[in-house]
Amino acid sequence: DTGVSQNPRHKITKRGQNVTFRCDPISEHNRLYWYRQTLGQGPEFLTYFQNEAQLEKSRLLSDRFSAERPKGSFSTLEIQRTEQGDSAMYLCASTSVANYGYTFGSGTRLTVV
Amino acid sequence: GEDVEQSLFLSVREGDSSVINCTYTDSSSTYLYWYKQEPGAGLQLLTYIFSNMDMKQDQRLTVLLNKKDKHLSLRIADTQTGDSAIYFCAERDSSYKLIFGSGTRLLVRP
Repeated sequence: DTGVSQNPRHKITKRGQNVTFRCDPISEHNRLYWYRQTLGQGPEFLTYFQNEAQLEKSRLLSDRFSAERPKGSFSTLEIQRTEQGDSAMYLCASTSVANYGYTFGSGTRLTVV
Repeated sequence: GEDVEQSLFLSVREGDSSVINCTYTDSSSTYLYWYKQEPGAGLQLLTYIFSNMDMKQDQRLTVLLNKKDKHLSLRIADTQTGDSAIYFCAERDSSYKLIFGSGTRLLVRP
């Protein structure tokens, strides 16, 4: 197992376009988290899944953001009608009920121009 | 609400010890974490401590927890230039998500 994988690593998009990011967690981890990190800040929680169920969403997550984890394995995060303020690093992490460590992927850096 | 605070910057000489401090507000936090982030990279888990422990040591890393004062520290012994990075403190809240501080940038001078 190679850890948590995120694709793409970088994405540049024009304002108003839709983008989708993918996260593949560690295979035995049933919890998956999305975070957003802007320059000079710590990661901010967006949403998390236990298996395929989305259990919590942050107030930061506007209705332009949607996340899915259809079969309890990989997850996607879609941003519709992107805005310049969406430019950030989007991080995915996974863990399991029996594991207290949260493993992060390398992130997807989004630039909205 | 939950809040985690860290000092912004620390500069040490190579070979010295580094101590990075963190305060948190959620008294129900059961686990507290230290992560390292190098430029352009994701977060690397360094260590975590359960809230009923006072101290945890792992090679060059020592974590001290003062639960009464809600204060956490990370000591790095014999700091090396490769330790230069941003260090994040995080608490796990009651819904199992991590709440992060803004990070402490550690600069190790040769």
